[in-house]
Amino acid sequence: DVKVTQSSRYLVKRTGEKVFLECVQDMDHENMFWYRQDPGLGLRLIYFSYDVKMKEKGDIPEGYSVSREKKERFSLILESASTNQTSMYLCASSGTNFETGVSSYEQYFGPGTRLTVT
Amino acid sequence: DAKTTQPNSMESNEEEPVHLPCNHSTISGTDYIHWYRQLPSQGPEYVIHGLTSNVNNRMASLAIAEDRKSSTLILHRATLRDAAVYYCILRDSTSGTYKYIFGTGTRLKVLA
Repeated sequence: DVKVTQSSRYLVKRTGEKVFLECVQDMDHENMFWYRQDPGLGLRLIYFSYDVKMKEKGDIPEGYSVSREKKERFSLILESASTNQTSMYLCASSGTNFETGVSSYEQYFGPGTRLTVT
Repeated sequence: DAKTTQPNSMESNEEEPVHLPCNHSTISGTDYIHWYRQLPSQGPEYVIHGLTSNVNNRMASLAIAEDRKSSTLILHRATLRDAAVYYCILRDSTSGTYKYIFGTGTRLKVLA
């Protein structure tokens, strides 16, 4: 089974702090994604990456950056956390199934990190 | 990007079929229709996807209208474990990207 893990389930940070959210997947997937989920707004894409060191902006990249130095790890960085970044953050991956060799658009999600910025 | 419209919430009795509708009137010919669901305190999980023909898998069936402007996710016998938020998503197969546009989904409540 594909496993996507996120470094923390709950995180509390202060305004202005630099925050790192880590995501690791164990299926050798090429593509990785960061979303945030807010009540009434559904999931919104922040950034995604389709290869190591490659990144593309999603729909709401402002205030965030990302890093993908290794294929299995995709980090979301809040350079200076603000209260409006209090949210649930979800990481996902997709790619070629290593058993079948078939590329799939199915995204596998981690359990999420609930970040509170005070 | 094409958008989807879903009812905010629906209720179903346990062991009865559930039909979850989705409107996507601006769908293009190359957009795939994906369905995901999110159980409480979990990330979303894949349910099913299709392009033009109806699709079945062990979790559900997907019925796609002939004009593709709407689709319906069918759970044949709802169980309490099916209580979740169900998302209908369009994916552009020609854009070369792998991103989805999620809507706000339908919260399904299953009554015992």
